[in-house]
Amino acid sequence: SQQGEEDPQALSIQEGENATMNCSYKTSINNLQWYRQNSGRGLVHLILIRSNEREKHSGRLRVTLDTSKKSSSLLITASRAADTASYFCAIGGGSEKLVFGKGTKLTVNP
Amino acid sequence: EAGVVQSPRYKIIEKKQPVAFWCNPISGHNTLYWYRQNLGQGPELLIRYENEEAVDDSQLPKDRFSAERLKGVDSTLKIQPAELGDSAVYLCASGGARNEKLFFGSGTQLSVL
Repeated sequence: SQQGEEDPQALSIQEGENATMNCSYKTSINNLQWYRQNSGRGLVHLILIRSNEREKHSGRLRVTLDTSKKSSSLLITASRAADTASYFCAIGGGSEKLVFGKGTKLTVNP
Repeated sequence: EAGVVQSPRYKIIEKKQPVAFWCNPISGHNTLYWYRQNLGQGPELLIRYENEEAVDDSQLPKDRFSAERLKGVDSTLKIQPAELGDSAVYLCASGGARNEKLFFGSGTQLSVL
C-alpha cells in the first residue's frame, strides 16, 4: 500500500479566492479519494475518482487525476471561511487498504 | 440516520493505566476500521474488521493493543498499559456501499500523562 503526498502542507487564502491542493503518488492506483477534516472532528468524504476518470465535480469542488503524472488536484472555488479545514488524499478503498497522506491545512480568512 | 458514534470524546490517563474506546458503526455497515491520528498527520490504520473477523491487523501493536467486534456490530479498542507515545486521536470508521467511501466518527482524543 502506498501513501499519497499532499502539497502544500499549509495554504492561507482570502474568502472568495480559489484554493488548489495537490496529491502525488508513486505507483499505479485504482481509486483516489479526498477527505476533509474540521478541527477536532472526524474526516468527511468529499470525492472518489477512479483511475479511468480524469475529472469529477461536486458543488464547488473539482478533482482532477493525471495518471501519467501520478498526481491529483483538489480545487475549491469561491472559498468560504467554513472551508477552513485539513484536506487529505487517500489511496485505495474497497478491498484495498485505504492509506491517507499527511494533509494540507487550509485557512480561509474572512 | 445516526452516523458513526464513538465514546468517550476525550480521555486523560496516566501512563501504564489501561484505556478503552468504543465505536458503534452505521447500521448495516459490515466493515469497521480503527485509525490512529497523531497531531499534524493523517490517520494510520490500526485494524480493519469484516463483520467480526479482523482481516487486517498488521499495524496493530499487539503487545499492548487489542480490539474486538464480537457480534459484528460495535467494537472496542483497548490499550494496556498506555505509554506516553499513545497520545493521539483514535478514529473509528465504517464502510459504505462497496466499502470504498468511509464514514468517520468524531474520534477519541487520548492524552497520556
